[in-house]
Amino acid sequence: QQQVKQSPQSLIVQKGGISIINCAYENTAFDYFPWYQQFPGKGPALLIAIRPDVSEKKEGRFTISFNKSAKQFSLHIMDSQPGDSATYFCAAHSYDKVIFGPGTSLSVIP
Amino acid sequence: NAGVMQNPRHLVRRRGQEARLRCSPMKGHSHVYWYRQLPEEGLKFMVYLQKENIIDESGMPKERFSAEFPKEGPSILRIQQVVRGDSAAYFCASSRESLNTEAFFGQGTRLTVV
Repeated sequence: QQQVKQSPQSLIVQKGGISIINCAYENTAFDYFPWYQQFPGKGPALLIAIRPDVSEKKEGRFTISFNKSAKQFSLHIMDSQPGDSATYFCAAHSYDKVIFGPGTSLSVIP
Repeated sequence: NAGVMQNPRHLVRRRGQEARLRCSPMKGHSHVYWYRQLPEEGLKFMVYLQKENIIDESGMPKERFSAEFPKEGPSILRIQQVVRGDSAAYFCASSRESLNTEAFFGQGTRLTVV
């Protein structure tokens, strides 16, 4: 079965630090890679997304790095804040399939 | 511009009853997806629908579960004869184009089977 592997499962970062979450996929047909942020009791919210034709995308404090040959991509949160404490999911999409990673619980401590 | 609307937000059903979950996509979106999330777990794809068509239902259990997205009205996820294992959060997402484009999630329906 196709998987998207995500690590770490949980992450504790000090305020102002960099949070890094990694994902790896298997199927080369995937061509859209979003990251979602989810707070307890809420639906996932699209944070940032990338396509394989670029190696990096930055939006504010959030950056996706993408390594097509290694089939890996990562989310970097710069200057992490307590308000960033949430669960983060990566996903890999093709035109007719989507697989989510199992999630990373991020805690940013003051 | 309203987002993806799901109702009800919370639903309690006794074992054996039917559960109907509704999802109204964002305006201009004709692609709808349903996901299930168990506590402390990730999202599991269930079904992908376009107006009046099921595109992919590979993630949906073969029995008791069905989904539709009629020409008019919301998408419906229907669970017949619910069991305790169906207790979960069910999320709907919608997109303007196909599955590999920007999608927006609703707030979910939390189903509890007692």
